[in-house]
Amino acid sequence: EADIYQTPRYLVIGTGKKITLECSQTMGHDKMYWYQQDPGMELHLIHYSYGVNSTEKGDLSSESTVSRIRTEHFPLTLESARPSHTSQYLCASSENLRGSGETQYFGPGTRLLVL
Amino acid sequence: AQSVTQPDIHITVSEGASLELRCNYSYGATPYLFWYVQSPGQGLQLLLKYFSGDTLVQGIKGFEAEFKRSQSSFNLRKPSVHWSDAAEYFCAVGNNAGNMLTFGGGTRLMVKP
Repeated sequence: EADIYQTPRYLVIGTGKKITLECSQTMGHDKMYWYQQDPGMELHLIHYSYGVNSTEKGDLSSESTVSRIRTEHFPLTLESARPSHTSQYLCASSENLRGSGETQYFGPGTRLLVL
Repeated sequence: AQSVTQPDIHITVSEGASLELRCNYSYGATPYLFWYVQSPGQGLQLLLKYFSGDTLVQGIKGFEAEFKRSQSSFNLRKPSVHWSDAAEYFCAVGNNAGNMLTFGGGTRLMVKP
C-alpha cells in the first residue's frame, strides 16, 4: 500500500490567485511526478523530479512550477490561476527496484476549479 | 516515441459476465506495461504490471493481463465482473526503466445489475 498524500483534495479559487498543491510521500522514493488529467481523459505528465534539487518539465507544457527541497515533498505552484487551469492534478512517486523496473504509486489527486 | 491506444472508450457488461479491455502499445524495445484503475474522484490504483518473464500476469481484484508481443497488446481480463469493478481503466507503457509512463485514453467500465 502506497503512502502518498495530496492536499487539498478539492479547491475552488478565483482567477489571478496564487495556489500551491501539496504532495508528500513517506516511502523515501527519489522520483516524483505531477500529472494533469481533464475529466474523462488520459493523464499527461507536466513535471517530474529524480531527487532533491532536481526538477524537469514533462510532455505537456504547463504554466505551473515545482520544487523539490526535501525528498518527501514535491509541491506544485500556480502563480496566477486561470480558468484554463481547471483540471485534476495527480502526484505520483516511484523507486527503482533493481531488475524489475519501477512502479509509480499515485496520490488521490487534487481537483482544481478556477472561476 | 512510445504510445498507447485503448480502442474502447466505454464498455458495459452485466454483473457476473466476463470482461476484456483492450490495450495496444507502440514501443521500440521490450515494454514495461501497466494497468491502473481509477474510481470517480480518486487517484490511480495499480492493478498489475509486466516487466519480463511469464506473459500472463496476475493482479489484484481477480484481474489478469496477457502480454502478446506479436500483437503489441496487453489486454486486461476478468472472468466474472462485480458491480464494484465499475471505474475507469488505464493502460500505460513505460520506458526501459519503467519510470516515464505514457497512458492510454482510458476505458470507462459500467456494470449492469
